[in-house]
Amino acid sequence: DTGVSQNPRHKITKRGQNVTFRCDPISEHNRLYWYRQTLGQGPEFLTYFQNEAQLEKSRLLSDRFSAERPKGSFSTLEIQRTEQGDSAMYLCASSPPGTSGTYEQYFGPGTRLTVT
Amino acid sequence: AQTVTQSQPEMSVQEAETVTLSCTYDTSENNYYLFWYKQPPSRQMILVIRQEAYKQQNATENRFSVNFQKAAKSFSLKISDSQLGDTAMYFCAFFEGGAQKLVFGQGTRLTINP
Repeated sequence: DTGVSQNPRHKITKRGQNVTFRCDPISEHNRLYWYRQTLGQGPEFLTYFQNEAQLEKSRLLSDRFSAERPKGSFSTLEIQRTEQGDSAMYLCASSPPGTSGTYEQYFGPGTRLTVT
Repeated sequence: AQTVTQSQPEMSVQEAETVTLSCTYDTSENNYYLFWYKQPPSRQMILVIRQEAYKQQNATENRFSVNFQKAAKSFSLKISDSQLGDTAMYFCAFFEGGAQKLVFGQGTRLTINP
């Protein structure tokens, strides 16, 4: 088990372009989360999947943002028509089923997005 | 909505000293989980320690321990015998079961000096 992986690690894009990030959770984890972290701040929740179902979305997730987890394994986060304010680190985390009773989340290395 | 507050933006101690990081939170829930995460420079977030609200005993993990005061809604992290590798941002986090998300504090930047 290699932990949570995210690709790409860095992305530089021009304003107005679309970008897509990928997250591969720990294999037996059915819960997957996306967070956004700006410099010097704590991560802010964006969305949550349990298996393939998207169960929670933050108000931070505007209509330019969409996330999917089609087969309950990897997840993608797409940002359309990027804006400079979208520049941030996008973190993915996963956790085991709720029956484990721990609720610990394991984070990936993040994708750093820079919008120019 | 739950909120988490870390009142110490930065702290600095000498190697081998003991340091305590503060965290307070606000919630109306009775059963919840609290976490401390460590984020070293340019590296990923790592779980340091976890506390279940229903447990009165404070959690410990080697050199890391917490002082959990449920009535005061306080959850501080103590690092004993600090090491250079402890240099990192430390985030206190509250697990919100209803929305199934972590709510993070603003973080404390801890520097361990040789």
